Amino acid sequence: EDQVTQSPEALRLQEGESSSLNCSYTVSGLRGLFWYRQDPGKGPEFLFTLYSAGEEKEKERLKATLTKKESFLHITAPKPEDSATYLCAVQGSDSNSGYALNFGKGTSLLVTP
Amino acid sequence: GAVVSQHPSWVICKSGTSVKIECRSLDFQATTMFWYRQFPKQSLMLMATSNEGSKATYEQGVEKDKFLINHASLTLSTLTVTSAHPEDSSFYICSADVSGSTDTQYFGPGTRLTVL
Repeated sequence: EDQVTQSPEALRLQEGESSSLNCSYTVSGLRGLFWYRQDPGKGPEFLFTLYSAGEEKEKERLKATLTKKESFLHITAPKPEDSATYLCAVQGSDSNSGYALNFGKGTSLLVTP
Repeated sequence: GAVVSQHPSWVICKSGTSVKIECRSLDFQATTMFWYRQFPKQSLMLMATSNEGSKATYEQGVEKDKFLINHASLTLSTLTVTSAHPEDSSFYICSADVSGSTDTQYFGPGTRLTVL
């Protein structure tokens, strides 16, 4: 069974203080690993898809990396508007599941001025 | 691009009534749509996978007779919560993946259901 574990559960940063969020996963055949941002009361907003170990993607202050066992979301010089819950999800290669996403519990990030 | 809408954004109903939630892909076609439920401070839990023109596939523990899913077109899926009870109160979110393209799922804004 696919498992996704995110850490830490919550993270408080000062504006400009860089850090990383972790997503550890087990899956029988990784089709893709996804990062989403979710604001309170809203649906998840797509950030990145990673497909193979060694892959990296960047968007503004965010950079996602992938190994065979985990993914990191690096946040460089965060701003208060980066405050949100960051969700990691994996998609297995079992097509019988319709390629559904299996989500972790998320990391709640608060960036203070 | 890849915008998904949901309607309504929130609904309050009495116990025993049925509620229908619509999920639309606005600028793309979606062969497959997914329905998730999210309780406060929890992550998204997949309820069912909806394929256009066929019956939905429900996750273990999700009552198919209570949560009716219809995916009649490539841009619309509906979730009907039948005989709703207070324990069905939750945040319901749909997602869709772009047919014939990547497997990235794009999510709707969610529907907050409160059953009194």
